[in-house]
Amino acid sequence: EVVMTQSPATLSVSPGERATLSCRASQSVNSNLAWYQQKPGQTPRLLIYGASTRATGIPARFSGSGSGTEFTLTISSLQSEDFAVYYCQQYDDWPPLTFGGGTKVEIK
Amino acid sequence: QVQLVQSGAEVKKPGSSVKVSCKALGDTFRSFAVSWVRQAPGQGLEWMGGIVPVFGTSNNAQKFQGRITITADESTTTTYMELSSLTYDDTAVYYCARGPRPVGLEYLDSWGQGTLVTVSS
Repeated sequence: EVVMTQSPATLSVSPGERATLSCRASQSVNSNLAWYQQKPGQTPRLLIYGASTRATGIPARFSGSGSGTEFTLTISSLQSEDFAVYYCQQYDDWPPLTFGGGTKVEIK
Repeated sequence: QVQLVQSGAEVKKPGSSVKVSCKALGDTFRSFAVSWVRQAPGQGLEWMGGIVPVFGTSNNAQKFQGRITITADESTTTTYMELSSLTYDDTAVYYCARGPRPVGLEYLDSWGQGTLVTVSS
């Protein structure tokens, strides 16, 4: 099973600042990596797939990078609606599909 | 754009089973794979299993082997997830979610609204 590890667990950022979230895989997942955003009481929303491709309707301030075992989600200028929990997920080696533990982005 | 509509909240006793449904609206049923993901209160996302229409069989996380059954009814465009031998630790919101293609399990680009299953005596 591929173990996904996200860091940090919590990220405190001021509105307008850049946020950088990390995700590490226990073995190479090539570029088969997705990112999701989840706000309190809401369902997860796909942001990024293929490590760097934005899903439909996702603003350009969200960008993904990386391949193999190291991945990054960058939010270039945080807006109030971006404060949420973010999860990475690998789909290279399944079953199972595996998620990281999440990074909570909170207002500083 | 496909919409996934799940069945309503359930309260179950320990040791019993629960069956949650997920109806697909607005797309060809066989056009995508369906996964089931759960989220315990205050916790992260946990993949439970999925079904790929082209293969016709489900793939499940080892943690749930022997307790989970995922099926699909093409005539009603509905996927079902049944979990047996429930314990208090199975209290969670259960989501169905679709992948982009019918071949293989991938990222999840559309999610149901979630079904809260509460295990309580």
